[in-house]
Amino acid sequence: DIQMTQSPSSLSASVGDRVTITCRASQGIRNDLGWYQQKPGKAPKRLIYATSSLQSGVPSRFSGSGSGTEFTLTISSLQPEDFATYYCLQHNSYPWTFGQGTKVEIK
Amino acid sequence: QVQLQESGPGLVKPSETLSLTCTVSGGSISDYYWNWLRQPPGKGLEWIGHIYYSGSASYNPSLNSRVTLSVDTSKNQFSLKLTSVTDADTAVYYCGRLDIWGQGTMVTV
Repeated sequence: DIQMTQSPSSLSASVGDRVTITCRASQGIRNDLGWYQQKPGKAPKRLIYATSSLQSGVPSRFSGSGSGTEFTLTISSLQPEDFATYYCLQHNSYPWTFGQGTKVEIK
Repeated sequence: QVQLQESGPGLVKPSETLSLTCTVSGGSISDYYWNWLRQPPGKGLEWIGHIYYSGSASYNPSLNSRVTLSVDTSKNQFSLKLTSVTDADTAVYYCGRLDIWGQGTMVTV
């Protein structure tokens, strides 16, 4: 299985801050990576697909980058509605695997 | 806009079979892979498996061959069966595609 190591596991940030979350894959996954936001009691919502493509309807403050084994989700200016848990998902090899999640909390 | 809705029992006894159905509305089930995820209380997401509308399926080996997916294109539905459940299978179960998911259904063993 491909292990997705996500960091940090949690972070505290203020509105307006720039936030970066990283996922490292245990082997190369090309660009077969997506980023999801999950709020309590809700389904995951895809923000980014194919490493860096913005899902329709998602604010442009969200961006993704990376290749091979190292991938990053950046929120350029954190907004109140962005406080949530974020997950990466690789769908390059079976079984598809998620990162452990990053909980973004209010400072 | 495609919408998905999970349905099935919210309570299953240990050693029995968990059965869930996902109904796809607002679009055809054809030409996509349809997935199941689960999330134990307070924990992260786990991919269970997916099925193509043709019936070809892939599963997570962590479930030790307990899982079977099926699809009914005439009803625009796909289904999950998980046998020999234990407390560890207690979770919210989500159906969907990579870009859109149902609201989830809580199953307690």
